[in-house]
Order: sequence, then C-alpha cells, then structure tokens
Amino acid sequence: DTAVSQTPKYLVTQMGNDKSIKCEQNLGHDTMYWYKQDSKKFLKIMFSYNNKELIINETVPNRFSPKSPDKAHLNLHINSLELGDSAVYFCASSQDWASGSFLYFGAGTRLSVL
Amino acid sequence: AQSVAQPEDQVNVAEGNPLTVKCTYSVSGNPYLFWYVQYPNRGLQFLLKYITGDNLVKGSYGFEAEFNKSQTSFHLKKPSALVSDSALYFCAVRDINSGAGSYQLTFGKGTKLSVIP
Repeated sequence: DTAVSQTPKYLVTQMGNDKSIKCEQNLGHDTMYWYKQDSKKFLKIMFSYNNKELIINETVPNRFSPKSPDKAHLNLHINSLELGDSAVYFCASSQDWASGSFLYFGAGTRLSVL
Repeated sequence: AQSVAQPEDQVNVAEGNPLTVKCTYSVSGNPYLFWYVQYPNRGLQFLLKYITGDNLVKGSYGFEAEFNKSQTSFHLKKPSALVSDSALYFCAVRDINSGAGSYQLTFGKGTKLSVIP
C-alpha cells in the first residue's frame, strides 16, 4: 500500500486554467504538507495542515488554495495558472506537528503550464 | 533564520569508491539535521538524522553522516558507492530552539550523485 499518494502524476494545462491536485495518506498522520520543487530542484514548503487546520502558509500567491476535508487528505487547488507555476508539487505527511522533520513524501505531481 | 548550503550541484564517483556529499548549515540555536534522498520520479525518502548524542550517525543503505558543530557541517558519506546510489540528495535543518512557526524543515538545493560503473 502506498503511504502517501497523490494524483495526478502528470498535469499539462494551459495558462489561465484552474486545476486541482489530490493527496491522501494512509499512515494515520495528523499533519500534512505541500512542497514545491522548481526546475532547479529547490524544495520549498507551501502549506501545512495539522488535524485539518492550516498551520503554515508561506508566501504563496492566493491563487493557491489548500483544502483538507479530513486529516487523511490535503488537496491543492490552483486558480488562473501561470507559466511560473510549472514545477513538481509534493505532498508529505508527518505523524504530528512536533515530529515535522520526519516526513513521508508522495511521488510528486509534475505540473506543466503551457 | 535557518539555512542549508550544499555547495556541489553534482558529485561523480566511481563504483566502489568512497563518496562524500557536503552540507553546511546555519541556525541560531541547536540543529536537528537530516538527509533525504530522491530517486528519479519519486518523492523524497528519509535517510538519516542527527538529533543529539554521537556525532557520527548511521542511516539506511550503508550511509552515514558526521555532525561537526565547529564547522557547522553535516556531510553525508559512504565507504563504497553503488550504481544504485545515484540519486538526488537533500540536506535539511530545523532549529530546535525556534517556536512553532519554524518547525518545518529548511532544505538545501540538492546534490546530484552519479555513481559510474
């Protein structure tokens, strides 16, 4: 069983479109994250949710809106996609907020905005 | 603020030779240090960590790392490289003395390790 799964694996879309990426973890973890990895492989946290509540919201355009319907899911919705949004987006989870260094990552969603 | 530097974008090593991937860090307090590995088209996987205690920590797949407080370094090492070790390696740091707002890790930019047969 995949611990952290995200869909889709690849996403190709036009500028201006709205898209969503889904993430689910079956580890029973309380805390989930979204990371963005740019073309230079630099990894940066975007959001963190703990028990469905937003904990971290880094400097991310408000076109990005995370949603956590329950603590096993953290979806990412992106409005009005721009070329600069092209990246690999990783979902991750940790047992709880305090153990946030021990992360379990999904395989990533490669987003290409044309 | 906390930061991590991985000075090498790429490290090439022959199979069977020892390898080192360098990492230096900056935190205002005491660090928690981590190495993660990313294989092609996969998410990052935890490799090893330093929290406290022995400066030499051992992790998965025969890797180890040495915490050097005076040099603020946490270099990743392996005595004998395998072709299957070829991947992207990320060093990460967390300041244990920071408040809740800094509980997330700060990652380095990654070092691509290529082990040549």
